[in-house]
Parts: sequence; structure tokens; C-alpha cells
Amino acid sequence: KNQVEQSPQSLIILEGKNCTLQCNYTVSPFSNLRWYKQDTGRGPVSLTIMTFSENTKSNGRYTATLDADTKQSSLHITASQLSDSASYICVVSAMHDYKLSFGAGTTVTVRA
Amino acid sequence: DAEITQSPRHKITETGRQVTLACHQTWNHNNMFWYRQDLGHGLRLIHYSYGVQDTNKGEVSDGYSVSRSNTEDLPLTLESAASSQTSVYFCASSESLGDTQYFGPGTRLTVL
Repeated sequence: KNQVEQSPQSLIILEGKNCTLQCNYTVSPFSNLRWYKQDTGRGPVSLTIMTFSENTKSNGRYTATLDADTKQSSLHITASQLSDSASYICVVSAMHDYKLSFGAGTTVTVRA
Repeated sequence: DAEITQSPRHKITETGRQVTLACHQTWNHNNMFWYRQDLGHGLRLIHYSYGVQDTNKGEVSDGYSVSRSNTEDLPLTLESAASSQTSVYFCASSESLGDTQYFGPGTRLTVL
């Protein structure tokens, strides 16, 4: 069964600090991996997408990495801002049927 | 600007009642999806459609139905609401299979 595991479940950081979120998956055959940001009370919004051949993708202060051999991805947030407080969801797509497997998300709280 | 909307945003209903949640997108996307989001779980696929008159069951389809009579709309119906269907429901759409899915703002449904 295709699975996506995220860690930690939640974290609190001070404004201006960096943090890294982890995602491990067992989806096979692998097509692509996306990180979504979900603000409280809103729908998820795509941050990055990576295919098998890509190992790094940036979107402003967000940098995602992918190791397709170990089936791991990380999302690094640099110089966090209060607006980064949200849930970050790792989403993996399987080849052929393109069905999405969602992680449960990591809730990030940025404190002033 | 193109968008995807859901209504109502909040709904309280009683066990056994029929409930319909609306989803409308103006991107002219062929693919539309319904998910539910529960605490501690990733988003789970309820039903999806790849075009007009096409509907397919997802992993948690029991007790739900959809119909696709035009490109823009994919209403989700709970035939006889149960307390286990209390959740936040998200509609999403994408232009092609494997493309990024764009999510609506969600509907919070409470079944008493």
C-alpha cells in the first residue's frame, strides 16, 4: 500500500529561525512529489513539485529536496516569518494512475 | 481570475438527512476530485471525475455519490448522513492527469 509519513507532527520555531520538515514515502512506481502549504481554514496550495530526476527545488524561502533512492524528501524553511505558520503536506503521485498519496502534514507555528 | 469555490463553507445537519456539497471551478479543468480531511489523517479521496458523465470511486466512497453533468461542477451528495462523515471536505481540480491539483477553500460538515 502506498504510504507517506511526515515528521515531526508539529513544531514551534521563533521568527527568523530555520526549520526542516521530513517526508518518507513508499509510493511505487514514483512519478513526482509535491509539497503543499495549508493555512488554517483554507485549502492546500502547491509550493514545489519534483520529479525523479530532480533533487532540489526552491520557491522563495522554501527549498525542497528529494532522494529517490532512499524515498525521502525534506522541506527547508529559511528565515521563518509569522506567515509561515501553517500545515505543510507532502504529496506523492504514482505513475500510471497519477493517484495522490497524502501525508498527514506537519503543523508549523512561528512565534514572534 | 479563474477559481474553485465550495458551498456552503459550514454545514450542520442531522443523522439520516441527505446533504449536497457544491463545487464549482472556472478553469475549465477536465479533472475534478473530492477529498475529506480528518485530524491525524492525510487527505483521502472520495470520488473523482475525468470529464462530463465520468465518475469514479475513491478509497473512501461508501455513503457518498457524485454526478458530473457539466465541466464546471461536481456536487458531492451524502445519501444518509452519519456521524462518521463529520469532516472537512475539499474539492480540487486539475487540467491534466499528474498536473498540480488546485483546491477549494473547504466545507466543514458536522453531522449530529
